[in-house]
Amino acid sequence: AQSVTQPDIHITVSEGASLELRCNYSYGATPYLFWYVQSPGQGLQLLLKYFSGDTLVQGIKGFEAEFKRSQSSFNLRKPSVHWSDAAEYFCAVALSSGGSYIPTFGRGTSLIVHP
Amino acid sequence: ETGVTQTPRHLVMGMTNKKSLKCEQHLGHNAMYWYKQSAKKPLELMFVYNFKEQTENNSVPSRFSPECPNSSHLFLHLHTLQPEDSALYLCASSQEGAGGVYGYTFGSGTRLTVV
Repeated sequence: AQSVTQPDIHITVSEGASLELRCNYSYGATPYLFWYVQSPGQGLQLLLKYFSGDTLVQGIKGFEAEFKRSQSSFNLRKPSVHWSDAAEYFCAVALSSGGSYIPTFGRGTSLIVHP
Repeated sequence: ETGVTQTPRHLVMGMTNKKSLKCEQHLGHNAMYWYKQSAKKPLELMFVYNFKEQTENNSVPSRFSPECPNSSHLFLHLHTLQPEDSALYLCASSQEGAGGVYGYTFGSGTRLTVV
């Protein structure tokens, strides 16, 4: 069964500092990879996705993620965090299963931003 | 604006009540989903509809009953719920019928409290 691991439950950074949120998956093939963000009281919003090609993908709100096949990782990064980035971040992976690509979500990482 | 609208935003119901959650999207998407989000747990897929046909039922108790009258509307009918059903219920839609290859668009959710 496919699985997604976000090893950090909470991450605390200072405003203006750089950020990296970790995501690892366990599959034989390269899955479709996603990062979502959830602000308090809201649904999830797609930040970026990776299908194939360039392993560094750019997303909305200044986020980027790098796919590393050798490490089965898809870490999310931002060079300078803003207070409004405080939210829950979810990594998701999707593999074909009978023609369906229902994603599996990680447990999420809560980002706390200090002024 | 997410493109997926859920109503109501908050719902408090007794265990003997019957209520319905509504989800509406006008993005031209062909697939719609219900997810349950509980504290400290991963996102749980409940139901999947592709082109108005239910294609997934993730062992959800019969006290939850989905309905998809057309590709733009999705309902979740609730009856005789238990306190452990209290959670954030998220609706999502996707561009193609095979699941989340391009990523999901989520609604803001309905916060359900069962008393």
